[in-house]
Amino acid sequence: EVQVVDSGGGLVQPGGSLRLSCAASGFIFSDYEMTWVRQAPGKGLEWVSLVSIGAGPIYYAESVKGRFTISRDNARNSLFLQMDSLRAEDTAVYYCAKGLKNSRGLYHFFDYWGQGSLVTVSS
Amino acid sequence: EIVLTQSPATLSLSPGERATLSCRASEDISSYLAWYQQKPGQAPRLLIYDASNRASGIPARFSGSGSGTDFTLTIITLEPEDFATYYCQQRRNWPLTFGGGTKVEIK
Repeated sequence: EVQVVDSGGGLVQPGGSLRLSCAASGFIFSDYEMTWVRQAPGKGLEWVSLVSIGAGPIYYAESVKGRFTISRDNARNSLFLQMDSLRAEDTAVYYCAKGLKNSRGLYHFFDYWGQGSLVTVSS
Repeated sequence: EIVLTQSPATLSLSPGERATLSCRASEDISSYLAWYQQKPGQAPRLLIYDASNRASGIPARFSGSGSGTDFTLTIITLEPEDFATYYCQQRRNWPLTFGGGTKVEIK
């Protein structure tokens, strides 16, 4: 059974840092793209970052570029999001999600999601 | 950045009725569009990918259509569990973007 479990959220002051983690199981982690998507309270979904497979590219939303760093540890089936210089507008539930893949390739759509980790940036 | 505009913002329907949700892209995205369902307090669930392909385990009452800039998600007969918010997402260009969502509520 595919499982994606995110963790690491909490309360942090503006300008502070936080590291989110995502533990994956039930699939060959190294074969799939992984992504972070966030949702501010009462708002819609916002894509944050994606890490491809192998030595493939990494992508960021403009709103987090230069402040957030996505990484993966295939040996530990884990995904991370290092968030620095946090702002009030980064307050959101952050979801880790697995990329869709089939015999035709990778899709940049997401078929399994974690339960979400709440990050609150406030003094 | 490709902007996705969903309409209507809210759709009030009764169980058993047909739901038609729209997603319009600010430029041609071919068929590179997905639809997700999200219920309160839950993570999104992938329903449709590449405009018209149902994801694994998704019931046949959900169907997607469209290409270019205009896309539609149709729920043929609404079941009680279908009342939720629906989002579209494009993968044509970076950054990936989502629409603002359509809430399907019970009339």
